[in-house]
Parts: sequence; C-alpha cells; structure tokens
Amino acid sequence: QSALTQPPSASGSPGQSVTISCTGTSSDVGGYNYVSWYQQHPGKAPKLMIYEVSKRPSGVPDRFSGSKSGNTASLTVSGLQAEDEADYYCSSYAGSNNFPYVVFGGGTKLTVL
Amino acid sequence: EVQLVESGGGLVQPGRSLRLSCTASGFTFGDYAMSWFRQAPGKGLEWVGFIRSKAYGGTTEYAASVKGRFTISRDDSKSIAYLQMNSLKTEDTAVYYCTRDASLRGAVAETPYYFDYWGQGTLVTVSS
Repeated sequence: QSALTQPPSASGSPGQSVTISCTGTSSDVGGYNYVSWYQQHPGKAPKLMIYEVSKRPSGVPDRFSGSKSGNTASLTVSGLQAEDEADYYCSSYAGSNNFPYVVFGGGTKLTVL
Repeated sequence: EVQLVESGGGLVQPGRSLRLSCTASGFTFGDYAMSWFRQAPGKGLEWVGFIRSKAYGGTTEYAASVKGRFTISRDDSKSIAYLQMNSLKTEDTAVYYCTRDASLRGAVAETPYYFDYWGQGTLVTVSS
C-alpha cells in the first residue's frame, strides 16, 4: 500500500494532453511544496521530470508540467508523443520527524494510443 | 555530466551477503547525501536508505524492511557509495538504484526531499 495514491493507468492519443493525479494528505502533499515526479521507461532507471511541484530540470521538455491543489498534485503531459509512454511516479516530502522523509505513489502506466 | 554507476549485483543464496557499489562522477560527491532505492520485479520504488554528507556527520537512515541487515557507507576520496547487504532474503530480490539527493539543509539536519540523478541499476537475485 503506497502512501500516495495514483491511478494505475492513464492514456491519450498523440498530440493530446493527459493529467495524472497524486493524492496524499496534509502531512505530505498538502503540507509542503515539495512534490516531485519521475518517469521510468521499461528496463530503465527513473528520471526526474518535475520537482518542487512545478519546476522542470534542465532538458525536460516544457510539455511536462506540474501543479498542486490541496492534498492532490498533478502531472500534465501536453502534446503527447510516443516516447512519453512510461511509468510515472509521484513523491512528496513528508517532514523530517521519521524516515522515510519522502513518500511515493504506486505509479501510473501512461499509454500513448 | 553527472553519472552514477552501480555494480556488484548478482545471484546470491538466502542468508548470504552482497556489497553493491555506486561510483559517481561529474559533481563534488562529498557535498551530497546519497540514497539507495530498490524495485522488485513489476513493483514500485522502495527507498532503502540514505547517507548524509560528511558535513552532516555522514549518518545513515534505513527502511524498516532492511534495518539491521543493510548498511550504507561512503568513501568521498573515491566518490563511491556502498550498500552492504547481509542476511539476504528472497524478498530482497530487486533492481537496486543509487541516487544523488537534493536535500533540505538546516543547522543540524540534512534531509533528502527529491532525487535528481539515478544510476542505471544493478539486479540482485536472492535464490537457492
């Protein structure tokens, strides 16, 4: 049972937009602006796509955007491309009292139709 | 360019030990906390533990599932982080990744809050 809740799957056609949700609590997502998103292609390592809710690391296309409202964060992929098909994991800082200080979602498999 | 390369994985019998290495390049290794994650086949990501930078004592913290069996250490002179795994169980079978951590730094604590670079992973299979 993951600490953050993500839909197991999402899909969209090339060129469309798709949004993946990540629901936590006031102790994690809702309490800090420290949500991050990772992309993982099959057999590959995760790659940071979004940090601090909406910031993109250098090299990440601006088709990827992040947002947050209350206890739910979202990753939106605009102008879907075939190479966006992957698993996406959200995570959130959950405070510094006890390990783990960062909690994760169970992942969402994004399919480009 | 930041690079992290894990090594040391393989097939090991239950109850035995294995040490993984994570060799870093492209950044000042000693300035960063480093973590180990694992991913069992078909499963999500599990944060195994991390080691703080020497500026924060190089202390370590672990997931409950590995506490007392796994030990993380670092050699800043070689830019290598290690994961020593003892008393391995079949449920430890996974791909193991090391990461460079982005951390919140206070007067006394360094706490990772996201993971900006990941190695390619190394497979550990625990089976008789």
